[in-house]
Order: sequence, then C-alpha cells, then structure tokens
Amino acid sequence: AQTVTQSQPEMSVQEAETVTLSCTYDTSENNYYLFWYKQPPSRQMILVIRQEAYKQQNATENRFSVNFQKAAKSFSLKISDSQLGDTAMYFCAFMKLSGGGADGLTFGKGTHLIIQP
Amino acid sequence: ETGVTQSPTHLIKTRGQQVTLRCSSQSGHNTVSWYQQALGQGPQFIFQYYREEENGRGNFPPRFSGLQFPNYSSELNVNALELDDSALYLCASRDGRGASYGYTFGSGTRLTVV
Repeated sequence: AQTVTQSQPEMSVQEAETVTLSCTYDTSENNYYLFWYKQPPSRQMILVIRQEAYKQQNATENRFSVNFQKAAKSFSLKISDSQLGDTAMYFCAFMKLSGGGADGLTFGKGTHLIIQP
Repeated sequence: ETGVTQSPTHLIKTRGQQVTLRCSSQSGHNTVSWYQQALGQGPQFIFQYYREEENGRGNFPPRFSGLQFPNYSSELNVNALELDDSALYLCASRDGRGASYGYTFGSGTRLTVV
C-alpha cells in the first residue's frame, strides 16, 4: 500500500512571495504518477500540476513547479509570485501506473496555504 | 464543455437510513471514481467504474456500492448509514487518454448523518 505524507498542516506567506509545500510518499512501485491538487472553499479539487515518475525533468506550469526526488520519495510544490487566489488547501496525491489507475489516487492530509495581502 | 456535477450539494440523513448520491461526469469521460473526504482529511478512494463495470475498490465495506450508466453518469449508494459516514463525497472523472492526465472533480456532496 502507498502512503502520502504532508508534514505542514498550515503555511502563511505574504503576497508575491515564494512558498514551498512539502510532500513525501512511500511505495514499492517503480512506475507511478504524482499530482498536486488545490481545493479552495468551493470544495472542488483542481489539478495544479502532475509528474510522471519515469521523467527526471521537473514539471512546471506557469508559477507552479515541482522538485521531484525519486530516490528520496519527495515531491515538493513551489509557488512563485504567490497571489491571494492561491489561498486554499493543497493536496499531494499518488497513483500507481500498474492497473491503469484503477486503485485511484492516494492523498495526503493536505496543507492549508494562506496568502496574506 | 461541462465539468463534473454532483447532486445534491448537501444532505442530512438519520443513522440506519440509505442514501444515493449522483454524479454527471464531464463530457467524453468514461471513467468515474468516488472519494470520501472526512473533515480535515484528504480524500479516500472508495471505488472506480469504467464503462459500467467496477474496476477498482478501496478499503470500504460492501454497504458502499455504486453504479455507472451508459451515459457514464454514476451513483454512490450507502446503506445502513453510520455517524462516521458524515463527510464530503467527491466524484471524479477522466477520459480514455489515461490516468496520468488526472481527474476532473466535482464540488462534492456534504452528507451529515445524525
């Protein structure tokens, strides 16, 4: 079974600052995907960024980037030039490749990110 | 393109009752999965349907069951409700390109069991 750990229950930064959210995971799988999802008060999970484990290059999406360290089983999210709209719960999620994703996503407990004006 | 819609948005039920939650997946998405999110926790995988067949299940008892219809909409049924079933239930769908493209989530149904 896989586990995902997010060790920061809450973080608060000033607008325009850079913030990094931590995520570690444990698995015996070699092929898998990792995701960061954002959940604002509207409750809808929104995909922020994804990373295939076989790719060494870190994924980037505009202001969002990841630091993927496969050997260390670490997958942190960096948000640059943070904006008030980034305030939300952020969840790290794991999905193994075998079975075509039929085992679903395994989520961490989340980090509540607050962007202060 | 429409997203994932869930109904109802809120629901209050009594312990021991049965409940049905509904989900309309995003157009073109043939895979639907359901998650339970307790307060202050991350979502937990309940099960997944692909082309009307359950093809994956998490650690949930049989009183959690589901259906997927030919139009790929889906239902989650919970029998013999317990107080611990109080949670946000999220539906997520994805298309046939593969799981790596991620899931599109709905806004959930908040179930309260009293």
